[in-house]
Amino acid sequence: EDKVVQSPLSLVVHEGDTVTLNCSYEVTNFRSLLWYKQEKKAPTFLFMLTSSGIEKKSGRLSSILDKKELSSILNITATQTGDSAIYLCAVTYSGAGSYQLTFGKGTKLSVIP
Amino acid sequence: DAMVIQNPRYQVTQFGKPVTLSCSQTLNHNVMYWYQQKSSQAPKLLFHYYDKDFNNEADTPDNFQSRRPNTSFCFLDIRSPGLGDAAMYLCATSRGRNGYTFGSGTRLTVV
Repeated sequence: EDKVVQSPLSLVVHEGDTVTLNCSYEVTNFRSLLWYKQEKKAPTFLFMLTSSGIEKKSGRLSSILDKKELSSILNITATQTGDSAIYLCAVTYSGAGSYQLTFGKGTKLSVIP
Repeated sequence: DAMVIQNPRYQVTQFGKPVTLSCSQTLNHNVMYWYQQKSSQAPKLLFHYYDKDFNNEADTPDNFQSRRPNTSFCFLDIRSPGLGDAAMYLCATSRGRNGYTFGSGTRLTVV
């Protein structure tokens, strides 16, 4: 049973569009949620979220965590072709096996000119 | 710059021929991980070291072994690679549960 579910699995948008990627999780003793961008190499860290309702922002990207809904969204405004990548969501939690990142399957974003 | 370095970036090995992937870090992180990521799939944890303590995931095949001779280095040994082991192998480090840092990955091809 998947503990971290991302949606949509893939998305195609035009440059300039705004996109919202979703991540929901179901783990006991949640600690943090992380977003990564992955092109044809290792994941690149974007955000780590631990507190509900506090938006983290970096340029055109922003993310927020909703602990009540057990979910997070990643927003990208004014998308560019360079945003094309797989966006991975991962959670950490306390307890057995707690040191790992548990990843979702990712959302493949394609931005076309 | 402090970082996590994986060597080689690309590795081609023959079916059944043992292969070793390496990871080194200058972050002095106490936890080191090996993830396997197959095409279009999420990274999957194979095992991790918390200091010297080795932690194997229940579904990691016996074909995969790991060594951590010191804080800075960690190796992934694949004893008899099969075609199904072709994947990107990601090394990551953390200090406790914080500061996760990934290496650039090694893409393994089995021929």
